Amino acid sequence: GESVGLHLPTLSVQEGDNSIINCAYSNSASDYFIWYKQESGKGPQFIIDIRSNMDKRQGQRVTVLLNKTVKHLSLQIAATQPGDSAVYFCAETNINTGKLIFGQGTTLQVKP
Amino acid sequence: DTGVSQNPRHKITKRGQNVTFRCDPISEHNRLYWYRQTLGQGPEFLTYFQNEAQLEKSRLLSDRFSAERPKGSFSTLEIQRTEQGDSAMYLCASGAGYSNQPQHFGDGTRLSIL
Repeated sequence: GESVGLHLPTLSVQEGDNSIINCAYSNSASDYFIWYKQESGKGPQFIIDIRSNMDKRQGQRVTVLLNKTVKHLSLQIAATQPGDSAVYFCAETNINTGKLIFGQGTTLQVKP
Repeated sequence: DTGVSQNPRHKITKRGQNVTFRCDPISEHNRLYWYRQTLGQGPEFLTYFQNEAQLEKSRLLSDRFSAERPKGSFSTLEIQRTEQGDSAMYLCASGAGYSNQPQHFGDGTRLSIL
């Protein structure tokens, strides 16, 4: 159930497995990146962020990796749970404005 | 609940009518952003405020759209002479004064044009 390197619009994993969601960002000048989770009928919910001077950041069950050389971002979710089912978006911004540019979303489906 | 609040949650109106949405940000946040999201897509930036000053507007924001934040607290987004293509989810987000802090979103206003 992992997705490595490529962006896939849908990722289906078994409950308890680890998930990797990938994102390519567009602007070399972006210096701050955020992952959001969006459930049906709700607004995006902040998960984790990372600044451009870092290449890895860990939270509770989530890890974000940043590769500035290839402008790639990934979100790793450990021990995926049914409650993790949602659409996940990466977003990039720069320190000047703070306006977010969202990438293509990935729908994560967790099978019990 | 001290998160971002948006009203109404749903708005159905006929083409040609005017609509207004309201956003109440997190109280200590001085930046407020408006985004539009259509089905299956990520949110797209429309405009943002630093306190009461509107600092940037996207090309997506036609002259039928206007946003205000009169006292640097809540904000309104008005769409005049609505068109079918305006049907979307309108999301508001707020953030602290530093750009490298995460924006927090409300649950949006879903606009449907008949």
